[in-house]
Amino acid sequence: EPEVTQTPSHQVTQMGQEVILRCVPISNHLYFYWYRQILGQKVEFLVSFYNNEISEKSEIFDDQFSVERPDGSNFTLKIRSTKLEDSAMYFCASSRDREREKLFFGSGTQLSVL
Amino acid sequence: QKEVEQNSGPLSVPEGAIASLNCTYSDRVSQSFFWYRQYSGKSPELIMSIYSNGDKEDGRFTAQLNKASQYVSLLIRDSQPSDSATYLCAVNAPPAGSQGNLIFGKGTKLSVKP
Repeated sequence: EPEVTQTPSHQVTQMGQEVILRCVPISNHLYFYWYRQILGQKVEFLVSFYNNEISEKSEIFDDQFSVERPDGSNFTLKIRSTKLEDSAMYFCASSRDREREKLFFGSGTQLSVL
Repeated sequence: QKEVEQNSGPLSVPEGAIASLNCTYSDRVSQSFFWYRQYSGKSPELIMSIYSNGDKEDGRFTAQLNKASQYVSLLIRDSQPSDSATYLCAVNAPPAGSQGNLIFGKGTKLSVKP
């Protein structure tokens, strides 16, 4: 069964460093998303992406965050200057056109900012 | 502020019993409702979606929606220890037909005792 893949599974970084989280969505999906979940908290929407541009973004997704689809398969989330409070599990998700609200999540990247 | 509320639990049921999980949401114009299962340290996995008032059954799972009361529930029949997980209620954020900008509840932790 096709799945969303994310790399790395764990990322440790120093405060102020840039990190790039990578995702390969399901191949026939057209909508891509990043969510995050701070330990013990809710899953929170960050950004949605369609047709090579951001469709919607939340208040969390400030100027420190950016997304890119550099080729036909990868979807990346960049955090330019990480803060301690960016420590969370980051989930990539994708959905197909006909049922675009049915999200399929990747296994996540656990980001730890020290 | 759009909210999705769930009792955090833990909800403990014996094996073979019916587990009942509840969720309320604040935004009356929400149109799409989802239940995700999340095992500890793992990503959310979609188990049910419901769009119309009433019941929707899929195997041992039944989702119930009451838009007038802004209430959605999930029943798990013949509960198994493998059902032990946190169940996340998710609601789409309007406008209707928008992409997967889902608002998640904090989840109800279910424990099924053998």
